[in-house]
Amino acid sequence: DAGVTQSPTHLIKTRGQHVTLRCSPISGHKSVSWYQQVLGQGPQFIFQYYEKEERGRGNFPDRFSARQFPNYSSELNVNALLLGDSALYLCASSLEVRVAEAFFGQGTRLTVV
Amino acid sequence: AQSVTQLDSHVSVSEGTPVLLRCNYSSSYSPSLFWYVQHPNKGLQLLLKYTSAATLVKGINGFEAEFKKSETSFHLTKPSAHMSDAAEYFCVVRALWAGGTSYGKLTFGQGTILTVHP
Repeated sequence: DAGVTQSPTHLIKTRGQHVTLRCSPISGHKSVSWYQQVLGQGPQFIFQYYEKEERGRGNFPDRFSARQFPNYSSELNVNALLLGDSALYLCASSLEVRVAEAFFGQGTRLTVV
Repeated sequence: AQSVTQLDSHVSVSEGTPVLLRCNYSSSYSPSLFWYVQHPNKGLQLLLKYTSAATLVKGINGFEAEFKKSETSFHLTKPSAHMSDAAEYFCVVRALWAGGTSYGKLTFGQGTILTVHP
């Protein structure tokens, strides 16, 4: 079975641009979460989605948004990119929102120049 | 609210010697606790999990952790380190379903970098 897949793996953007990151969860998993990992730190929670509804939001500005599609895949959008948005963005999937165990993808490395 | 403190940012051991990575947690509700490992330029791999069953939890690759509620600790151990264990390790807490409100958020510690010398 395929694990959590994220695309693209690497991305370079210019300040002020917009970016869309994509995630496909493990087959049968209905919950997707997004995390930002800045170099040298632990991942920070951005969003959780379950059955296409937002179920949790971390302390991130409104420039960050996400959605989940009927097939349970998800997109993370970031507008007006700042240098500080450079990070590894990780997607995690779990069976449902009440299930504690989460499986992570390889991440998307975003560099803002 | 929940938080995690990993007591060591770096741990260095020799191959074949025991590994101890320390973690203390804080949670308002009954927690689930996890250890994840991250190899360079890779995603996160789940090593083991505690979800209110047995307090001594065995994971993959010979790792285990003990949940001690009185000490609010969840330290990760391995009897004998291998070169392939060199990586960054994250202790993670998640509150279980409580009072009709779901807590999907995982809270990560700052990470412990494990170095293994030949």
